[in-house]
Amino acid sequence: GNSVTQMEGPVTLSEEAFLTINCTYTATGYPSLFWYVQYPGEGLQLLLKATKADDKGSNKGFEATYRKETTSFHLEKGSVQVSDSAVYFCALGGSGGGADGLTFGKGTHLIIQP
Amino acid sequence: KAGVTQTPRYLIKTRGQQVTLSCSPISGHRSVSWYQQTPGQGLQFLFEYFSETQRNKGNFPGRFSGRQFSNSRSEMNVSTLELGDSALYLCASSLGQGANTIYFGEGSWLTVV
Repeated sequence: GNSVTQMEGPVTLSEEAFLTINCTYTATGYPSLFWYVQYPGEGLQLLLKATKADDKGSNKGFEATYRKETTSFHLEKGSVQVSDSAVYFCALGGSGGGADGLTFGKGTHLIIQP
Repeated sequence: KAGVTQTPRYLIKTRGQQVTLSCSPISGHRSVSWYQQTPGQGLQFLFEYFSETQRNKGNFPGRFSGRQFSNSRSEMNVSTLELGDSALYLCASSLGQGANTIYFGEGSWLTVV
């Protein structure tokens, strides 16, 4: 079945540092890939997505590229801010339009210190 | 436009009781799915509804059920509550069945004592 593996952290960085959160997946077919962010006490917000190999999703300075050859979708940001502190979830969606829900990684807790 | 709305936001129940959670999807969205989030298991898919029919179900016991109404609003019910049912229950909506992008509500925090 489908699975997503990501570093759980916590990951602690200083403001303006470069961020990478690794995400690798196992799936049949050609799933879509997502990054969601969860701030304390809130639900999940879609951060970015990619629907096919070599697609790059980007939003709010965050980027991730769908790498089929390495089955990865690593999240990057060039210069993090304190406001980026949150939990980040990598997820994959069923391929072929199948309604099998999203499969999530365990989440990476990111802490940005001023 | 308004996002996904879930009610109630917080509730406390006793073991053995049952609970009903409500979800209003984004206007125009016809698919609603439910997820359970716990510290130990993370985010797990419960079920998805489209056009008032359950289209897919995750690996949860029959105590967990749901339904969808003609206006796409959805409810989920958990009967005979157990301590382990304490979790954040998240509802998500999307335009159609199996759509690529789903949008989440803020969740309902359930504590079972």
